[in-house]
Amino acid sequence: EPEVTQTPSHQVTQMGQEVILRCVPISNHLYFYWYRQILGQKVEFLVSFYNNEISEKSEIFDDQFSVERPDGSNFTLKIRSTKLEDSAMYFCASWGSEQYFGPGTRLTVT
Amino acid sequence: AQSVTQLDSQVPVFEEAPVELRCNYSSSVSVYLFWYVQYPNQGLQLLLKYLSGSTLVKGINGFEAEFNKSQTSFHLRKPSVHISDTAEYFCAVSRTGFQKLVFGTGTRLLVSP
Repeated sequence: EPEVTQTPSHQVTQMGQEVILRCVPISNHLYFYWYRQILGQKVEFLVSFYNNEISEKSEIFDDQFSVERPDGSNFTLKIRSTKLEDSAMYFCASWGSEQYFGPGTRLTVT
Repeated sequence: AQSVTQLDSQVPVFEEAPVELRCNYSSSVSVYLFWYVQYPNQGLQLLLKYLSGSTLVKGINGFEAEFNKSQTSFHLRKPSVHISDTAEYFCAVSRTGFQKLVFGTGTRLLVSP
């Protein structure tokens, strides 16, 4: 069964550093998403991406965040200058008949 | 805008007992409704979804949910739970199938022997 994959599973970075979280969506899907889940809290939408552009973004997704589909398979989330409050689990998802979620990347900012 | 309320943060239940996890939503337009399960240290897995049609929706692992438009609810039920059902359950809504999901705060189901 096709699945969404994410790398790395865990990323530790220092405050102020740039991080790139990577996702490989299911191959024939056209809509892609990033969500985050701060420990103990609910899953929050960050951004959706379709036809090589952002289709919707939340208030969380400020200028420090960017997304890119650099090739036909990868979908990346970049945080330019990480803050302590960016520590969370980041989930990538892609849409076919429903949203399929990846296993997540746990980002720890120290 | 849509919102989801899961009133129970934690539901303890004994194995083989029935369980209901409550979900209420708010929206000015028609929505699609979903239940996702998250096992420890794993991603989100879709349990079931309501798009239209029959208000009783059956999902994986013996779960079912009933859409009630008048009460704006979408409660999740299972007639007999197993230890392996211990997980976090999230109710979510979206305006269409491909638009963003808005999640509730989750309900932790704790099944004990």
